[in-house]
Amino acid sequence: KQEVTQIPAALSVPEGENLVLNCSFTDSAIYNLQWFRQDPGKGLTSLLLIQSSQREQTSGRLNASLDKSSGRSTLYIAASQPGDSATYLCALYGGSQGNLIFGKGTKLSVKP
Amino acid sequence: EAGVAQSPRYKIIEKRQSVAFWCNPISGHATLYWYQQILGQGPKLLIQFQNNGVVDDSQLPKDRFSAERLKGVDSTLKIQPAKLEDSAVYLCASSSGTSGGGETQYFGPGTRLLVL
Repeated sequence: KQEVTQIPAALSVPEGENLVLNCSFTDSAIYNLQWFRQDPGKGLTSLLLIQSSQREQTSGRLNASLDKSSGRSTLYIAASQPGDSATYLCALYGGSQGNLIFGKGTKLSVKP
Repeated sequence: EAGVAQSPRYKIIEKRQSVAFWCNPISGHATLYWYQQILGQGPKLLIQFQNNGVVDDSQLPKDRFSAERLKGVDSTLKIQPAKLEDSAVYLCASSSGTSGGGETQYFGPGTRLLVL
């Protein structure tokens, strides 16, 4: 059974700092991996989707990497801003279960 | 392009009562998903529809939960009777593909349910 772990559960950084959020998974037979952002009281917004054949994806200040062999993904946020404050969720599609499996998320707070 | 619409946004009921949530996906999206997100957890898939057929309902507590997507467009999720542990945010999502999965899902704002 696929398990997705996100560390840390919460993170507080000063504005302008570069940061890395981590996601690990137990079954490397994945189809793709997605990073989502969730703001309080709102739904999820897809940030980046990495196919299993890819190593990384970039969008603006965000860069996500995927290493299937080690069961890890990272989300790098450059020059963090207070508007980046949200919960970031990692989700996998594939493996032994044919649906999207989510981690519990990392709650990020960027202080002005 | 309009996003995924959900209603109501909030609902408070007493245990053993029934409740229904409504979702209207993005126009043209064939696949619709209902997720349950308990506080502090990631979303968990309850049911997945492709057009008006059920693809996956393996994690739906069928003794109290039901869902339908009769015309292959909007969908209703019902809980009857509700239990305290059903307190959660119920998220609806849709995607355009019919390939069986892996494409980007677009989420609605969710319905926050509190069972007292």
